Amino acid sequence: NAGVTQTPKFRVLKTGQSMTLLCAQDMNHEYMYWYRQDPGMGLRLIHYSVGEGTTAKGEVPDGYNVSRLKKQNFLLGLESAAPSQTSVYFCASSDQGSGSPLHFGNGTRLTVT
Amino acid sequence: AQSVSQHNHHVILSEAASLELGCNYSYGGTVNLFWYVQYPGQHLQLLLKYFSGDPLVKGIKGFEAEFIKSKFSFNLRKPSVQWSDTAEYFCAVNAGDMRFGAGTRLTVKP
Repeated sequence: NAGVTQTPKFRVLKTGQSMTLLCAQDMNHEYMYWYRQDPGMGLRLIHYSVGEGTTAKGEVPDGYNVSRLKKQNFLLGLESAAPSQTSVYFCASSDQGSGSPLHFGNGTRLTVT
Repeated sequence: AQSVSQHNHHVILSEAASLELGCNYSYGGTVNLFWYVQYPGQHLQLLLKYFSGDPLVKGIKGFEAEFIKSKFSFNLRKPSVQWSDTAEYFCAVNAGDMRFGAGTRLTVKP
């Protein structure tokens, strides 16, 4: 059971560079989420999607874009990376709305220098 | 949008001590409540959840939580902690999207 798979696991970027984080789930879940985790701040929601072709902003969307072209994939893009985006990024999915727990990927550690 | 507050940032206990971690949320409507645990170097895993019914819910590994609607609280408890409970604990509220508290780091001394 793969569950939720994130790639890459680690990445170092220079300020101004761009990159895309990929999240794939094989559970046929409708909902997918991107969070960032920073010390002392818990997980903060960046963007989420309630189904294929839909996206919505979370708590901290600035500087990020997302796309959900296929139900199983949820991409997080950084167009121009900044040091403030150094963080651990987690993708998660759930099969329904507010009543369903999240299934998390293993995270991507991103450092922006 | 809903928000979640966890009052304890770091809790240090000895094995066999009792645990209670506080969680309060702000949202006027119906919410679903969760506690997740993150062991060092791992991703978050579900401990327990509350949707409706009995406000005292039991989860895995001997954890339980009580929903007190009038206090907007969902505190996590365990009667006797073990060294293996050392982890970070996150309260979460879902009223359309899942929002997390800042987390409480629990250290259990052997």
